[in-house]
Amino acid sequence: QLQLQESGPGLVKPSETLSLTCTVSGGSISSGSHYWGWIRQPPGKGLEWIGSVYHNGDTYYNPSLKSRVTTSVDTSKNQFSLKMTSVTAADTAVYYCSVSRELYNPLHYWGQGTLVTVST
Amino acid sequence: DIVMTQSPDSLAVSLGERATINCKSSQTVLHNSNNEHFLAWYQQKPGQPPKLVIYWASTRESGVPDRFSGSGSGTDFTLTISSLQAEDVAVYYCQQYYTTPLTFGQGTRLEIK
Repeated sequence: QLQLQESGPGLVKPSETLSLTCTVSGGSISSGSHYWGWIRQPPGKGLEWIGSVYHNGDTYYNPSLKSRVTTSVDTSKNQFSLKMTSVTAADTAVYYCSVSRELYNPLHYWGQGTLVTVST
Repeated sequence: DIVMTQSPDSLAVSLGERATINCKSSQTVLHNSNNEHFLAWYQQKPGQPPKLVIYWASTRESGVPDRFSGSGSGTDFTLTISSLQAEDVAVYYCQQYYTTPLTFGQGTRLEIK
């Protein structure tokens, strides 16, 4: 069974870049059989899909965030990552990494999530 | 974007009673390729990530108790818990994976009456 674990700074200053990594265990990103995604949840609010990436680097983003978001994979480390530029307080959220068997498939596995606070 | 709207926003049900949560999509999530509805339900308990409960609108995820069931078609879907247990207290979200951006309902908070 795939297991996911997010890591990265818990505090980011406004206008700076948020960077998170998701480490995958129990399977290989390079196997090519899954799509690796990011979802966020502001405190006390609902879920928002940020984007997904395939092992070959193909990316799919939420248009509402596309101009500020980049996702990538590092098959040598069995990790995938999220970068979000020009963050504001509105980007304060728990960020989850997730995996689906196809892009248009349910999100079968989720990481535990990591809280990122945007503040001075 | 496909907008997912859940009702009610919150629900209190007695232990052992039936709980029903509704989800409506702004357009169909039925895909002609496989005649399946691209609709999932997730359960989220405090401090935990969402957990997949139902997918393809009515398929129960492995390990999910059979008191959970999903139904519906077209744009209207329902999650039913046939006999509420204390461990079912959570927020439930529906999600469409028919097209990007993937979108979620606003969530329904389920509590014990």
